[in-house]
Amino acid sequence: GAGVSQTPSNKVTEKGKYVELRCDPISGHTALYWYRQSLGQGPEFLIYFQGTGAADDSGLPNDRFFAVRPEGSVSTLKIQRTERGDSAVYLCASSLKGGSNQPQHFGDGTRLSIL
Amino acid sequence: TQLLEQSPQFLSIQEGENLTVYCNSSSVFSSLQWYRQEPGEGPVLLVTVVTGGEVKKLKRLTFQFGDARKDSSLHITAAQPGDTGLYLCAAGGGSNYKLTFGKGTLLTVNP
Repeated sequence: GAGVSQTPSNKVTEKGKYVELRCDPISGHTALYWYRQSLGQGPEFLIYFQGTGAADDSGLPNDRFFAVRPEGSVSTLKIQRTERGDSAVYLCASSLKGGSNQPQHFGDGTRLSIL
Repeated sequence: TQLLEQSPQFLSIQEGENLTVYCNSSSVFSSLQWYRQEPGEGPVLLVTVVTGGEVKKLKRLTFQFGDARKDSSLHITAAQPGDTGLYLCAAGGGSNYKLTFGKGTLLTVNP
């Protein structure tokens, strides 16, 4: 399809494990964003990529979280030593270019559950 | 940190009724976006407002940006069950690409 694709759609793992979440943005979109949405909350910003570089990672909660976008397209969000508090829906969005007036197109998210 | 407060948090109405939901802040925003999110899906952009006092219409939905660019409202006329969903407002300031979202209004329209 032409939209933002996120895989897996659901991930269940045990506390302490490592997880990788993948995002395929819309082709040609240079800006990519990761957000986290907990139950009953709006999405919270995690990190923003412009091209291959992380232009702003100020929303990452701690050093267990890391994200890459090596070729300026697909991005992977990596979480080490997962904790139960990491359980949430992780949303990826892309836009044609950066800027708050740019429409951000969201994927359907990865629902992460840490047991 | 910009804080967006949305009200009401929950709203349940009958088909055909009108409703208004609100998004308020003490901060000034360069733009404000409204999204609708359905269960198991990502938010879908409805509209972006950028000018104080701006009014935009999308079929039965009317969006207004406050004169001081600190608040916004969404009015739905003759609500339909297909309008059911979580309505989120999101704002950025200046050249900030980083959107700050409110907690949303969960709307249920009963047939």
